[in-house]
Amino acid sequence: SQELEQSPQSLIVQEGKNLTINCTSSKTLYGLYWYKQKYGEGLIFLMMLQKGGEEKSHEKITAKLDEKKQQSSLHITASQPSHAGIYLCGADPWYGGATNKLIFGTGTLLAVQP
Amino acid sequence: GAGVSQSPSNKVTEKGKDVELRCDPISGHTALYWYRQSLGQGLEFLIYFQGNSAPDKSGLPSDRFSAERTGGSVSTLTIQRTQQEDSAVYLCASSFRLNTEAFFGQGTRLTVV
Repeated sequence: SQELEQSPQSLIVQEGKNLTINCTSSKTLYGLYWYKQKYGEGLIFLMMLQKGGEEKSHEKITAKLDEKKQQSSLHITASQPSHAGIYLCGADPWYGGATNKLIFGTGTLLAVQP
Repeated sequence: GAGVSQSPSNKVTEKGKDVELRCDPISGHTALYWYRQSLGQGLEFLIYFQGNSAPDKSGLPSDRFSAERTGGSVSTLTIQRTQQEDSAVYLCASSFRLNTEAFFGQGTRLTVV
């Protein structure tokens, strides 16, 4: 079955530092999604990547999908306390066609210390 | 509405009772998803709807779980004879169509005592 592994499981950084979160799949992905979750606020959509080698940025967050479409990274530049939360990668597994079942990694808990 | 709305936000129920969880998707979104998030675990896919149809129900944990969607809009997730292991946050999401970004509601926190 399709599994997504995220690393690290948790991360504490000082404000202003850069950080990277990784998401790895054992199989080729049809689409890769990044979400952020704060307690009591549900999941907030960040970015979606579909093409091998694709890279997208929004404010200080950049997400990349590798050429094989099996690994994605989320990079935050000059972290701020507002970046704190749980980051989840989600993927639509590809088995010769989209399954329409978004599956998720276990998440990365990010804390940013002022 | 502006976003996906779920109700109730919190539900405490006694073991053995039935519960209904409601999801109002974003207007115009044809795809609707239900997920469950248990403490210490990731998001577990339950079921999705394309319009009113649910092509794949294999994610539902047991036959005590059922879901329906009417009018291509509101969806209800029903859990019969609730058990303590059903306690979790139930999240609903909708997207304009399949394989586009999905937007999530705030979730319903279900506690079975």
